[in-house]
Amino acid sequence: QVTLRESGPALVKPTQTLTLTCTFSGFSLSTSGMCVSWVRQPPGKALEWLALIDWDDDKYYSTSLKTRLTISKDTSKNQVVLTMTNMDPVDTATYYCARMGNWGPFDYWGQGTLVTVSS
Amino acid sequence: EIVLTQSPDFQSVTPKEKVTITCRASQSIGSSLHWYQQKPDQSPKLLIKYASQSISGVPSRFSGSGSGTDFTLTINSLEAEDAATYYCHQSSSLPWAFGQGTKVEIK
Repeated sequence: QVTLRESGPALVKPTQTLTLTCTFSGFSLSTSGMCVSWVRQPPGKALEWLALIDWDDDKYYSTSLKTRLTISKDTSKNQVVLTMTNMDPVDTATYYCARMGNWGPFDYWGQGTLVTVSS
Repeated sequence: EIVLTQSPDFQSVTPKEKVTITCRASQSIGSSLHWYQQKPDQSPKLLIKYASQSISGVPSRFSGSGSGTDFTLTINSLEAEDAATYYCHQSSSLPWAFGQGTKVEIK
């Protein structure tokens, strides 16, 4: 079965760089049409799409955050990594990774990881 | 960029009542509109894909309709377990976008 799991620090300081890892199983990111995205959700607020990487290693980013984000994949390890630079308290959120096939819906989600930005 | 606007933001409903949530896109997205349910402290769960296609395991009281810019999620005969926030999401063109969410409360 398909599973995704996010991992990374629970607490980061302002101006630091956040690195999150999504480890997945049950599918391959080298399969044509397969994609993995990152989505975040500040406490009590709506979902916000951040970034996507596809089977062909094409990468796409949120317009408002593109200068701070980098997404990459390690197909052999079944992992997708997201880095976000210059963290600020407003970046406090639960960060999810999710699978998308053929540019469709997010059909599987990780359980999410809460990242708090505070000094 | 495409913006999705949901209405209402909040709805308080009695069990067995019918719930209708709308999602309007700022430009035509065809049928590339998907609906998710998120319960407190849980990850979002896919309810409906491509505007009206059902998802295996999702109760049949959930249905979707619409195309172009106007979409609707309907919950027929609401049950207590349906208390959640519902989001629409478009995959027509990047950057992907979500609606602001509609919280459904059970009276």
